[in-house]
Amino acid sequence: TQLLEQSPQFLSIQEGENLTVYCNSSSVFSSLQWYRQEPGEGPVLLVTVVTGGEVKKLKRLTFQFGDARKDSSLHITAAQPGDTGLYLCAGDAGNTGKLIFGQGTTLQVKP
Amino acid sequence: DAGITQSPRYKITETGRQVTLMCHQTWSHSYMFWYRQDLGHGLRLIYYSAAADITDKGEVPDGYVVSRSKTENFPLTLESATRSQTSVYFCASNIAGVYNEQFFGPGTRLTVL
Repeated sequence: TQLLEQSPQFLSIQEGENLTVYCNSSSVFSSLQWYRQEPGEGPVLLVTVVTGGEVKKLKRLTFQFGDARKDSSLHITAAQPGDTGLYLCAGDAGNTGKLIFGQGTTLQVKP
Repeated sequence: DAGITQSPRYKITETGRQVTLMCHQTWSHSYMFWYRQDLGHGLRLIYYSAAADITDKGEVPDGYVVSRSKTENFPLTLESATRSQTSVYFCASNIAGVYNEQFFGPGTRLTVL
């Protein structure tokens, strides 16, 4: 069974601080996605990483896919209150069409 | 409107009643999914469908029924609602083969009294 472990589960920081969220598995994924969910809404796709070692940047967010394609990280530089939300990583389960989701990281950025 | 919609957005029902949650997408995506989201459990897959008339169980299918007679619709029915089915339900769709990137609806908050 493929599992994705996210850490930390909760993070409360001050505006301007940096943070990193981790997504780990013992399984290899062909691709990995990061979603962000705001209260009362559905998750929204932020990025997909496909190649081992790949780094993608989205403004102050940096996403990295591990060399072995078993893990990923999300780094936010100079967090802002607008970054508050639930961050979910998800691995592509291949030909099934399904995704394997991590438990999520709830981020609170205080002004 | 283009996209994926869910109805109703909020529903309160009583134990034992039948409830149907609706999901409609305008992209003609082949895959559709139903998840429930509970504190401490993240997103759990209930059922999914690879195409019209093709459905399969996910991680937590007990107590739920789905159908997909048309590509764009994927209703989820709770045949006899229980309090443990109080949750937020999300429908999603994707284009098979494009890294399975999923597009989510806004969710239905269901309370079973």
